[in-house]
Amino acid sequence: DVKVTQSSRYLVKRTGEKVFLECVQDMDHENMFWYRQDPGLGLRLIYFSYDVKMKEKGDIPEGYSVSREKKERFSLILESASTNQTSMYLCASSLLFGRGNWAEAFFGQGTRLTVV
Amino acid sequence: TQLLEQSPQFLSIQEGENLTVYCNSSSVFSSLQWYRQEPGEGPVLLVTVVTGGEVKKLKRLTFQFGDARKDSSLHITAAQPGDTGLYLCAGEGSSNTGKLIFGQGTTLQVKP
Repeated sequence: DVKVTQSSRYLVKRTGEKVFLECVQDMDHENMFWYRQDPGLGLRLIYFSYDVKMKEKGDIPEGYSVSREKKERFSLILESASTNQTSMYLCASSLLFGRGNWAEAFFGQGTRLTVV
Repeated sequence: TQLLEQSPQFLSIQEGENLTVYCNSSSVFSSLQWYRQEPGEGPVLLVTVVTGGEVKKLKRLTFQFGDARKDSSLHITAAQPGDTGLYLCAGEGSSNTGKLIFGQGTTLQVKP
């Protein structure tokens, strides 16, 4: 059974703290993504990575950074958390386009982050 | 920037009614996908459409990809309370890297 695992379901952090959100997939997928989900805004792409040590900015990268040192692990970092980063964060992985799989994305269960 | 606009954003209907959700864009997509998300969980893929004009059926759900590959629709026949959830369309951009762009989502509530 395919699996994307996010390290925490719920997190509460203080403004200014450095926050790490971890995501691990066991499907040997090349692509990994971080989205944030807010009511009425759908899923907005923060960063994605199509290979180890490779990353590309999504639509809302400001205030975030990422790290992909190993193929199975993709970390999202909030350097200095702010209240407007309170949100649901979803990690996903997929095969690289062109492998006969039309980039179906498999999602983790999400991390609900509250910054106070 | 490629954008996907979903409508309606919210839908509350009685069990047994039919409904259609739309996903529109001014850009061409190589494929479009529909996901369903239940509270507390991540989205799960329902279907992928890849050919202009394609129609796919999944039990009471019918998915269509527009001829120009810029829009898609999801039609549910005789909705049931178990269909309640958030429905998201997603398009694979033209960059061929597997980057997925999502619409805002349609929240469906089916009352018994």
